[in-house]
Order: sequence, then structure tokens, then C-alpha cells
Amino acid sequence: ETGVTQTPRHLVMGMTNKKSLKCEQHLGHNAMYWYKQSAKKPLELMFVYSLEERVENNSVPSRFSPECPNSSHLFLHLHTLQPEDSALYLCASSQGERTGGYGYTFGSGTRLTVV
Amino acid sequence: DQQVKQNSPSLSVQEGRISILNCDYTNSMFDYFLWYKKYPAEGPTFLISISSIKDKNEDGRFTVFLNKSAKHLSLHIVPSQPGDSAVYFCAAFFPNQGAQKLVFGQGTRLTINP
Repeated sequence: ETGVTQTPRHLVMGMTNKKSLKCEQHLGHNAMYWYKQSAKKPLELMFVYSLEERVENNSVPSRFSPECPNSSHLFLHLHTLQPEDSALYLCASSQGERTGGYGYTFGSGTRLTVV
Repeated sequence: DQQVKQNSPSLSVQEGRISILNCDYTNSMFDYFLWYKKYPAEGPTFLISISSIKDKNEDGRFTVFLNKSAKHLSLHIVPSQPGDSAVYFCAAFFPNQGAQKLVFGQGTRLTINP
């Protein structure tokens, strides 16, 4: 299996639930990212992990908790979310060190609905 | 403050004609610019990029132009094909060591009409 794989593709959860999003990459990249895409808004960077160390946290509420156990896997743990957290959550990976303008490889995303 | 802006939320073009998608940025520190294409229910896929030291980059039907003085870039698709119908995101890199940080625009939905 190649590329960046995200599971589940769709998730509906109540505000009191706890769930996790999973991302896996088989590209040999050493940096991974979580982005949020809300309707009519730019993609918002949430977290950056480089060599399994979190290097950026863009003022994301604590109800979102990332975990990067190794360079191939990234999780986003969710608890007590709000309806406004409903969005498409995208995982991406990259080489980490700047190797030119090739950017990220994205997964297909998890469409999250909070009810 | 949005550093990368795509002011046209949608664009409709006749098949075979040229599609021109525009993007403006505010931060002169950006050193690489990229265009991504996104189909529904899929993640964005990389299309073409340009370094800030160049003013044009071409790849088949796709050409990106960069005007640094105007802080403006554009993506030209010619000829446009029905399969080009998608949302196009402009993005820019900060120069950085380690993990790359991309800043995205809001996207432009391109529709190619037969």
C-alpha cells in the first residue's frame, strides 16, 4: 500500500463521545500534518510533527489531541467536540527537510460531523 | 490575517478555452508557491509549483506565472478539459528548516462546460 491513508472516511459523533482519526503514510516521509478544512475557508494548519516531535500547534483547542507514535502513523484524538468542529480533517506528509516545491502528499480526509 | 487569497470562489470556462486562476499573497517571505487540485471526497493533489526566483513554470497544459512585485500568481490551463473541473488551491511555503509549513488560499471551484 502506498500514499497517505486516512481512516475512517466518515465519522458522526456526539458531543460527549471520544473518537480517534488515524493517518498512515508509506512514502518514507518524516514530517506529518493535520489540516482542517471548513466550508468556504482556507485549509487551516492544526499540528505539525517532524521526526515524531510536535513542532507546531496552531492554537488548537485542547479537545483535539494529536499523537505521532512513529514516522509512519499520526492520530488525532477527539473528545467533547462542538458542532462547529464539523469539517473535513486532512492528514498530509512530506520529506521534512526542504527538497523543493513538491509540497505535501495528502490523504483523502475524514469527514467529521458532530451532532 | 489571511496571507494567501483566492478572491474568486468559482470560475466557469468553456471546454477547449483557457482557464486562468488567480492568487494573491501578502508575505514577501514566501519562497515557493504551489497549486493543488481537489476533487470531491478526495484529498488535494499537487499540480505544479514555482520558486520565487522564477517568473514562469510550465508542465504540459499547466503554466504558473509569478509576479513578485504585485505579489500575484496565476495558473493557466490550456486547453481546458472536463476532467479539470475541481477546486484549485493556491499555497505558499515559508522558508523553513525542518518540517515544511504550507499556507493555503480558500480555493477556486473551476467548472469546465462541454
